Amino acid sequence: DIQMTQSPSSLSASVGDRVTITCRASQDITRYLAWYQQKPGKVPKLLIYAASTLQSGVPSRFSGSGSGTEFTLVISSLQPEDVATYYCQRHNSAPYAFGQGTKLEIK
Amino acid sequence: QMQLVESGGGVVQPGGSLRLSCAASGFTFSTYAMYWVRQTPGKGLEWVAVISYDGSYEKFADSVKGRFSISRDNSKNTMYLQMNSLRVEDTAVYYCVSRIVVTGGFDYWGQGTLVTVSS
Repeated sequence: DIQMTQSPSSLSASVGDRVTITCRASQDITRYLAWYQQKPGKVPKLLIYAASTLQSGVPSRFSGSGSGTEFTLVISSLQPEDVATYYCQRHNSAPYAFGQGTKLEIK
Repeated sequence: QMQLVESGGGVVQPGGSLRLSCAASGFTFSTYAMYWVRQTPGKGLEWVAVISYDGSYEKFADSVKGRFSISRDNSKNTMYLQMNSLRVEDTAVYYCVSRIVVTGGFDYWGQGTLVTVSS
């Protein structure tokens, strides 16, 4: 089965910083990659799908890119409300594997 | 407004069984595949199972294959997850999830129901 690996596992950044999270797939998944944000005590929220398509209502400071096996999620200017754990996921077919998560904190 | 409400969680002993339900509203349930995703307390997300819109296709994560089954009743707008031979490692919050954009991500999540497997 395809494995999804995120890096880093955690990071700390300052408000206004540009933040980049990477997700690697063990096999080519073309562009079937989604990103989720999960705030403490909350349900996961879809941010991006098809590698770069922003879900309706998601702030434009979030963007995604990549294809094949390497993908990135970028937050262009970190805001306090972005404190959360971020997950990537392949979404084209089962098994719909998730990455292990990246915990983002404010410095 | 689209809503997914899980129920049926609780405490069960290892080797026991539990059936989770997911009641859907606010969309045409019978036209969408449905999913179960779980999250171990303090840990990450794990996809568990999928069922097609008409119940003709189902697939499971290797970790639950042969122990869990999935079904749906489109007349009741409800999906089920039958969990047998439960293990301690099945302890998790179980989310009912749907995907409105067929080629998109998992865009609607229920609030989850906690399953605790403990002696």
